[in-house]
Amino acid sequence: EPEVTQTPSHQVTQMGQEVILRCVPISNHLYFYWYRQILGQKVEFLVSFYNNEISEKSEIFDDQFSVERPDGSNFTLKIRSTKLEDSAMYFCASSGDGGINEQFFGPGTRLTVL
Amino acid sequence: AQSVTQPDIHITVSEGASLELRCNYSYGATPYLFWYVQSPGQGLQLLLKYFSGDTLVQGIKGFEAEFKRSQSSFNLRKPSVHWSDAAEYFCAVVRGSQGNLIFGKGTKLSVKP
Repeated sequence: EPEVTQTPSHQVTQMGQEVILRCVPISNHLYFYWYRQILGQKVEFLVSFYNNEISEKSEIFDDQFSVERPDGSNFTLKIRSTKLEDSAMYFCASSGDGGINEQFFGPGTRLTVL
Repeated sequence: AQSVTQPDIHITVSEGASLELRCNYSYGATPYLFWYVQSPGQGLQLLLKYFSGDTLVQGIKGFEAEFKRSQSSFNLRKPSVHWSDAAEYFCAVVRGSQGNLIFGKGTKLSVKP
């Protein structure tokens, strides 16, 4: 069964450093998403991406964040200068039809900012 | 603004007992509603979804949910809980044309033998 994969599973970084979180969505999906979950809190939407551009973003997704689909398979989330409060689990998701039916989630990357 | 409320943070049930997890939503139009489950260290797995039609929807692992517009609720039920159901359960509503999900805070389910 096709699945969304994410690497790395755990990333530790120093405050102020750049990190890139990688995702491989399901191959025939067209809509891509990033969510995050701060420990003990709810899952929050960050950004959606369709047709090689951001289609919607939340207020969390400020100038420190960017997304890219550098090739036909990967979907990345970059945080330019990490802050302590960026520590969270980051989930990638993909959908074939804009999420109206189902978004398939990856296992997540746990980001720890020291 | 759309929102989802899960009033129970943590529920403990005995194995074999019935389960109901509550979810209330705030949404102007007919909502697209989902229940996801997250096992420890895992991603989110879809249990079931409601778009329209029959208000009682069946999902995987023996779960069902009932959409009640009058109560703005979409409660998740299971008649007999198994120890493997211990996990965190999230109710979500779609917001926006791209299907962005708004999640509730989740309900952690513990199952005692």
